Amino acid sequence: ETGVTQSPTHLIKTRGQQVTLRCSSQSGHNTVSWYQQALGQGPQFIFQYYREEENGRGNFPPRFSGLQFPNYSSELNVNALELDDSALYLCASSLPGGYSGANVLTFGAGSRLTVL
Amino acid sequence: AQKVTQAQTEISVVEKEDVTLDCVYETRDTTYYLFWYKQPPSGELVFLIRRNSFDEQNEISGRYSWNFQKSTSSFNFTITASQVVDSAVYFCALSEPYNNAGNMLTFGGGTRLMVKP
Repeated sequence: ETGVTQSPTHLIKTRGQQVTLRCSSQSGHNTVSWYQQALGQGPQFIFQYYREEENGRGNFPPRFSGLQFPNYSSELNVNALELDDSALYLCASSLPGGYSGANVLTFGAGSRLTVL
Repeated sequence: AQKVTQAQTEISVVEKEDVTLDCVYETRDTTYYLFWYKQPPSGELVFLIRRNSFDEQNEISGRYSWNFQKSTSSFNFTITASQVVDSAVYFCALSEPYNNAGNMLTFGGGTRLMVKP
């Protein structure tokens, strides 16, 4: 079975620009989450998509948005880029876990965004 | 609010030494899950273990072992006879019941382990 794949692996943008990051979930997984990992820190939850709808969001502004497609793949869009948006963006897929929080997330290798 | 603290930012050991990575968490829920993930230089987080809040039995998997103590809100990870391939950043994470589609992980800041030959 294929794992989680993300593209692009690296990209450089300038402040004020917009960026789209893409993620293909692991086969059989229908839930996708996105995390931001700043250098030297732990990942922080951005949001989660299930059945093509956002159903959970962390402490990130509305300029962070996403999509999930019928094949469960997903996009993360960031508008009006700021210097602090420079980070590794990790996508993770999972099966629905009910209310237990027991899901094991399978992560991709990430997209490293540098904002100049 | 939930919080995970990994006080050791960096640990350096010589191959074959044992090493313990500490994790302390805070939560108001009685039902929750704890995880350890490994992040090698390639970037992806690799799942190591999941433990639910009702199971305090220690677990051993090869050279890896985990000690869960609810009384001290700790979930420590020990690598026995460390190897150079164990060099990575290790994250402890906490998950609480969130919604009917999945879970949100709260990660600690990570511990960078360097194993020298």
